Amino acid sequence: GAVVSQHPSWVICKSGTSVKIECRSLDFQATTMFWYRQFPKQSLMLMATSNEGSKATYEQGVEKDKFLINHASLTLSTLTVTSAHPEDSSFYICATGANYGYTFGSGTRLTVV
Amino acid sequence: GDSVTQMEGPVTLSEEAFLTINCTYTATGYPSLFWYVQYPGEGLQLLLKATKADDKGSNKGFEATYRKETTSFHLEKGSVQVSDSAVYFCALSDAQGGSEKLVFGKGTKLTVNP
Repeated sequence: GAVVSQHPSWVICKSGTSVKIECRSLDFQATTMFWYRQFPKQSLMLMATSNEGSKATYEQGVEKDKFLINHASLTLSTLTVTSAHPEDSSFYICATGANYGYTFGSGTRLTVV
Repeated sequence: GDSVTQMEGPVTLSEEAFLTINCTYTATGYPSLFWYVQYPGEGLQLLLKATKADDKGSNKGFEATYRKETTSFHLEKGSVQVSDSAVYFCALSDAQGGSEKLVFGKGTKLTVNP
């Protein structure tokens, strides 16, 4: 079946630095990628929806200048957390698909120290 | 807007016990319904799905039936195993409501003891 490869699986960075998370669709083309954030012991919150070749659509309350999303090709979408702070520490997951059932990346555990 | 409400956990069971995790939804259109499972330290995996009323999704001994009259999609398993310990998320996708994004419930943590 469809596979989404997400990297890195975990990252520790210093406050003020930027971190890039990549999601690649293997063996299929993903015109849309959803980026979710999961807080400890909570559900997944949709941050933004990226579409290949166009600007991402951000959910209310998500800072688009802080969470930069790029979907430059049909197989790659990236999320860059800019000027990271400890409160950005979280589990970030990408997903693609539709109402047939999404395919999720394996997630990235970000810790900002 | 669309929403999913699922029973709060955590749920702790002994091996071979019967499992029910309740899930109800609110949607403007005719959503597809899903159960996802998240094992410790991992991403989400689709467990089962149903795309229309009265459909029954099943996988790995788990079942859920799409009940339009009660707007529910309860997850059941007749005999749980230790390996079923995970967090379970109920979710919907309401493409006819104008969006393909998934809306998740808050998740229910299941622990199965030997």
